[in-house]
Amino acid sequence: QKEVEQDPGPLSVPEGAIVSLNCTYSNSAFQYFMWYRQYSRKGPELLMYTYSSGNKEDGRFTAQVDKSSKYISLFIRDSQPSDSATYLCAMKSWTDSWGKFQFGAGTQVVVTP
Amino acid sequence: IAGITQAPTSQILAAGRRMTLRCTQDMRHNAMYWYRQDLGLGLRLIHYSNTAGTTGKGEVPDGYSVSRANTDDFPLTLASAVPSQTSVYFCASSRGGEASYGYTFGSGTRLTVV
Repeated sequence: QKEVEQDPGPLSVPEGAIVSLNCTYSNSAFQYFMWYRQYSRKGPELLMYTYSSGNKEDGRFTAQVDKSSKYISLFIRDSQPSDSATYLCAMKSWTDSWGKFQFGAGTQVVVTP
Repeated sequence: IAGITQAPTSQILAAGRRMTLRCTQDMRHNAMYWYRQDLGLGLRLIHYSNTAGTTGKGEVPDGYSVSRANTDDFPLTLASAVPSQTSVYFCASSRGGEASYGYTFGSGTRLTVV
């Protein structure tokens, strides 16, 4: 079983709706959490970084970490067609070296005008 | 434009052939990584280098080798390609211990081994 699970989608939402994405994980030692956005035929780009637990907000994006449930979420408010992409979560424990982030398989999001 | 340059962008390779995927960064990042991305499996780490002159094995290193002669370049070599190495390969870099900056990824190399 993979340490990081992510629903592959596709998740289709109308423009203006809230997009809700999540990842579950099994390693309780994970402390560093990231969300990446990947457009088709491009490399991933960092969206959000969170250390340990709690919420973080950046513009239309909110990242949440619930360590008790081993669950992280990304919310996109007022979604736009330009938000159509694949979203990947990534995480690692404090004991892992910086190259050892575990990535989810990614959730494809489609925002329809 | 600062970032990572990967070459080639795509390649069709006969099984058994040797190939080197090139990766160059101009951000002076200490750490560099090679990932492969396969549908349903996500990104998997092949090899990494925390600083010039050092390399380490990731999750799926078999059939691949790397070198890090200087800070900027991190080539990935397939010694004898097999069809299971058909994938999209991403090179990435980071400042090492500064997790808040995350990884910077290249645009990828699409490799098909036939």
